[in-house]
Amino acid sequence: EVQLVESGGGLVKPGGSLRLSCAASGFTFSSYSMNWVRQAPGKGLEWVSSISSSSSYIYYADSVKGRFTISRDNAKNSLYLQMNSLRAEDTAVYYCARVGYIVATIMGFDYWGQGTLVTVSS
Amino acid sequence: EIVLTQSPATLSLSPGERATLSCRASQSVSSYLAWYQQKPGQAPRLLIYDASNRATGIPARFSGSGSGTDFTLTISSLEPEDFAVYYCQQRSNWGGFTFGPGTKVDIK
Repeated sequence: EVQLVESGGGLVKPGGSLRLSCAASGFTFSSYSMNWVRQAPGKGLEWVSSISSSSSYIYYADSVKGRFTISRDNAKNSLYLQMNSLRAEDTAVYYCARVGYIVATIMGFDYWGQGTLVTVSS
Repeated sequence: EIVLTQSPATLSLSPGERATLSCRASQSVSSYLAWYQQKPGQAPRLLIYDASNRATGIPARFSGSGSGTDFTLTISSLEPEDFAVYYCQQRSNWGGFTFGPGTKVDIK
């Protein structure tokens, strides 16, 4: 069974830093691209960042570029998001999500974790 | 950058009725257009990929159509568990992704 479990959320002051983790199991983690997606309270989904299976390709939303860093450790089946210079508007539930494929076609984000809440407030 | 617009923002229907949700892109998108369902307190669930293909385990009452800039998600006959928020998503040619603002389907 595919499982994605996020951790590392919490309360942080503006300007602070936080590192989120996503532990993957039930599939060959090193074969899949992964993403972080966030959702502010009562708002819609916002894609944050993507990383390819071997970390060769990394992409960020403009809203986090230069402040957030996505990374992965395939030996540990783990995905990370280092968040620096946090702002109130970064307050959200952060989900990790796997990119699914069918015959080399990107299906979409086929598995999601349960999310971890990040609150940026003084 | 491609912007996705979803309409209506809210759709009030009764169980058994047909739901038609729209997603419009500001410019033509590739074949990649996905739809997700999200219920309160839950992570999103992939429903449709490549505009018209149902993901694994998705009931046949869900169907997707469209190409270019106009896409539609249709729920042929609403079940009680279908009342939720629905998002469309596209993949940019530079590798990023964008979600639409969502359509809430609620009980009339």
